[in-house]
Amino acid sequence: AQKVTQAQTEISVVEKEDVTLDCVYETRDTTYYLFWYKQPPSGELVFLIRRNSFDEQNEISGRYSWNFQKSTSSFNFTITASQVVDSAVYFCALSEGNYGQNFVFGPGTRLSVLP
Amino acid sequence: DAGVIQSPRHEVTEMGQEVTLRCKPISGHDYLFWYRQTMMRGLELLIYFNNNVPIDDSGMPEDRFSAKMPNASFSTLKIQPSEPRDSAVYFCASSLRRTQETQYFGPGTRLLVL
Repeated sequence: AQKVTQAQTEISVVEKEDVTLDCVYETRDTTYYLFWYKQPPSGELVFLIRRNSFDEQNEISGRYSWNFQKSTSSFNFTITASQVVDSAVYFCALSEGNYGQNFVFGPGTRLSVLP
Repeated sequence: DAGVIQSPRHEVTEMGQEVTLRCKPISGHDYLFWYRQTMMRGLELLIYFNNNVPIDDSGMPEDRFSAKMPNASFSTLKIQPSEPRDSAVYFCASSLRRTQETQYFGPGTRLLVL
């Protein structure tokens, strides 16, 4: 069985602070994919990043960065110098296997960035 | 290029009525997914299709739910009869090739069953 845990239900920070959203996953497969999606208050789900299990290189995209560590089964997401527009629910997701029959979302972390 | 299109965006209906949700995936995408989002259960995968064929419907809650994909550019999710506990946001998503490819989501249909 696969599982995605996002232990932080809600986080509040003040604008310009850095914030890290945690994601821990469980899978028995050696081939899997990890994702982060953002759901702003408007409700749509916006794709942020996709990472396969063979690529542990950290990724940086502007103020966003991702730290993938297979040793701890974690795929954490950091927002640097947070802004009010970053306020949203962030979901981590896992798809396993060569054909990815299962696609499981974590419960999400609600991030509030206060001005 | 247009993203995933869903209609209607909002639906209010009475218990017992039939509800049909519609989805047009991104052109060229082979996979289509239907999800339901509620506060209690989060995002749940209901069913997905590959090349218009249903592959896994194990997430469909009960026989009142059915989904079809008559062609590559159109899918429906039907609830008959609807119940208040079906109130949720229903998302459609599509992806290219395999399921581990990035899924692109539609704006969702917010369903309220009174």
